[in-house]
Amino acid sequence: DAGVIQSPRHEVTEMGQEVTLRCKPISGHDYLFWYRQTMMRGLELLIYFNNNVPIDDSGMPEDRFSAKMPNASFSTLKIQPSEPRDSAVYFCASSSGLAGGLTDTQYFGPGTRLTVL
Amino acid sequence: DAKTTQPPSMDCAEGRAANLPCNHSTISGNEYVYWYRQIHSQGPQYIIHGLKNNETNEMASLIITEDRKSSTLILPHATLRDTAVYYCIVRENNNAGNMLTFGGGTRLMVKP
Repeated sequence: DAGVIQSPRHEVTEMGQEVTLRCKPISGHDYLFWYRQTMMRGLELLIYFNNNVPIDDSGMPEDRFSAKMPNASFSTLKIQPSEPRDSAVYFCASSSGLAGGLTDTQYFGPGTRLTVL
Repeated sequence: DAKTTQPPSMDCAEGRAANLPCNHSTISGNEYVYWYRQIHSQGPQYIIHGLKNNETNEMASLIITEDRKSSTLILPHATLRDTAVYYCIVRENNNAGNMLTFGGGTRLMVKP
């Protein structure tokens, strides 16, 4: 298995531009998570999906952020318009979330390093 | 907010055991203790988890005290590649409690 795949690995954009981050979870995993990591705030959960449905988006910082999961193998995190304070590493993770959760280890992708100038 | 307390940093000599402590004094009966680590410029990586019994796998051992208020992650023979930030996380192990809340972690430096 290729693991969780994220693209792009690095993104540099200018303030005000739209940014779209992409994630392909591990095949068969029912849960998908988006995290953001900064030096100041550490690793924060933004939103997570179960069977393509958003379950908890309380971590999404503002309306400028939106996430979708149109099918089981693809999710996007969009920032529009982007601001310099959005600069961070964004991680996607997936898990199988079996009942009882004893094996619902989260597997993380390599992350997308976003720089907004 | 994180339910755990960890020292911000630790050093360990290469080849020696690394013992990383974690306090979780408010843990409830149905909450598990998870350990993840994050090597520089990579995503977090699962290490091990447990409820109340000690656990061991190919990466590490997890020792949980009888009152479950603290635990220790043990890397039996630390290598330079074990240098990373180690996160101790407490969470319920059910579909409704699937979130991981990361605290500050312990930055482990393995030195030659």
